[in-house]
Amino acid sequence: RKEVEQDPGPFNVPEGATVAFNCTYSNSASQSFFWYRQDCRKEPKLLMSVYSSGNEDGRFTAQLNRASQYISLLIRDSKLSDSATYLCVAPSSNTGKLIFGQGTTLQVKP
Amino acid sequence: GAGVSQSPSNKVTEKGKDVELRCDPISGHTALYWYRQSLGQGLEFLIYFQGNSAPDKSGLPSDRFSAERTGGSVSTLTIQRTQQEDSAVYLCASTPGTGAYEQYFGPGTRLTVT
Repeated sequence: RKEVEQDPGPFNVPEGATVAFNCTYSNSASQSFFWYRQDCRKEPKLLMSVYSSGNEDGRFTAQLNRASQYISLLIRDSKLSDSATYLCVAPSSNTGKLIFGQGTTLQVKP
Repeated sequence: GAGVSQSPSNKVTEKGKDVELRCDPISGHTALYWYRQSLGQGLEFLIYFQGNSAPDKSGLPSDRFSAERTGGSVSTLTIQRTQQEDSAVYLCASTPGTGAYEQYFGPGTRLTVT
């Protein structure tokens, strides 16, 4: 089992839709998680950190379910500019490094 | 302040040649990470440094790959006898320390092996 797993998508949604991505992780001792956004041919950039049960920032909400070992990212009122790949990140079970998921691709259509 | 920089931005090399990729982390960041991203794929961890030491080299694909970091700053990733499957974007990231910190990425080096 991969340490961090995501549905690669793509998710194709119309503008204004609400979309949610899930990510599962294997290290039950993990305390903190991240969602990164990566635009085409660009480097990843931090979108949100998730340290407890969840975090909200405008249209974006990240939630953590420790019992089931997954985190989710909810995007409300999708914009065309939200089109990107969203990477889930969790600490490795063995070392201090962070493990990136494969990424989920979102395409928001007019 | 200045972000993470990488050079070259693009590198085309012939199969069998050696290449060196450079990463300049954010000043003061003690941890430095190297990743590889093939087209349409996720980030593949290669190696990370805490200071000049590499506690985890588990992601290096083969003994053709090596990396070093000097002075707790600049890092060089070397690929010897390049193969076509080495073609990818090589990304470097730095953080203030290891663990749960935001990783700041450089723009990457796009390596093409012909």
